[in-house]
Amino acid sequence: LAKTTQPISMDSYEGQEVNITCSHNNIATNDYITWYQQFPSQGPRFIIQGYKTKVTNEVASLFIPADRKSSTLSLPRVSLSDTAVYYCLVGEGSSSGSARQLTFGSGTQLTVLP
Amino acid sequence: GAGVSQSPSNKVTEKGKDVELRCDPISGHTALYWYRQSLGQGLEFLIYFQGNSAPDKSGLPSDRFSAERTGGSVSTLTIQRTQQEDSAVYLCASSPMTARNEKLFFGSGTQLSVL
Repeated sequence: LAKTTQPISMDSYEGQEVNITCSHNNIATNDYITWYQQFPSQGPRFIIQGYKTKVTNEVASLFIPADRKSSTLSLPRVSLSDTAVYYCLVGEGSSSGSARQLTFGSGTQLTVLP
Repeated sequence: GAGVSQSPSNKVTEKGKDVELRCDPISGHTALYWYRQSLGQGLEFLIYFQGNSAPDKSGLPSDRFSAERTGGSVSTLTIQRTQQEDSAVYLCASSPMTARNEKLFFGSGTQLSVL
C-alpha cells in the first residue's frame, strides 16, 4: 500500500492561497494521486487528480514533482466555505479497469479564518 | 442524475443486535467501496467489490462484519451482535472504474449508534 502522510491541521485567512502537501514515498508506477474534500456530516467529494507535473481545474491545482513521492494541493484565494478536511489518496497498483483497495490517509483539517 | 444513496441515514440500536446498512451505487458503476469513520477520525477502509465479487475482505474489523453485493448493484453491510465500538459513520462509495484513474463518488453515510 502507498501510505500517505499529511499535516493534521492548517489555518489560513480568507483570500490567501493555501498549499497542503502529502507525502507518499512508496507510490507505485501506475498509481494516480487524488484529493478529496470532506465537510461535516457529508461523504468526501472529489477535488482533483493527477499523475505527474501539474494539473489545474476550476477549484484547485495539483503539483507533483518528478519523483512523485509527494504532491501539493493548492487552493487559490480561500474563503470560509473552504473549511473542511482534505484527504490525499494514492491507490494500490492493480490491473487496468479493476477495483482495488483504496486507503485514505488521516487528512488535513483546514480552517479558514475571517 | 442520482448519486450514491445510503439507508438508513441514522440507525440507533442496542448492543448485541444485528444491523443491516444499505448502499445504492450510481447506476452502471462496477466498483463499490465501504468505509468507516469514527467521530473526528479519518476513513477506515473496510471492503470493496468489483461487480459482485469482493477479492479482499481483510479490512473488515472482525467476523461480525460481512458484506454482499447482488446483481452488480445494491450492497448491504451487516454487523452482527453490535458492540459500542461499532458506533461510527459508515460510508459507501462507487466508481465507474472505466480507467485506472478511478474517481470515487460517496454517499452521505449511515450514522450508527450502538447503545
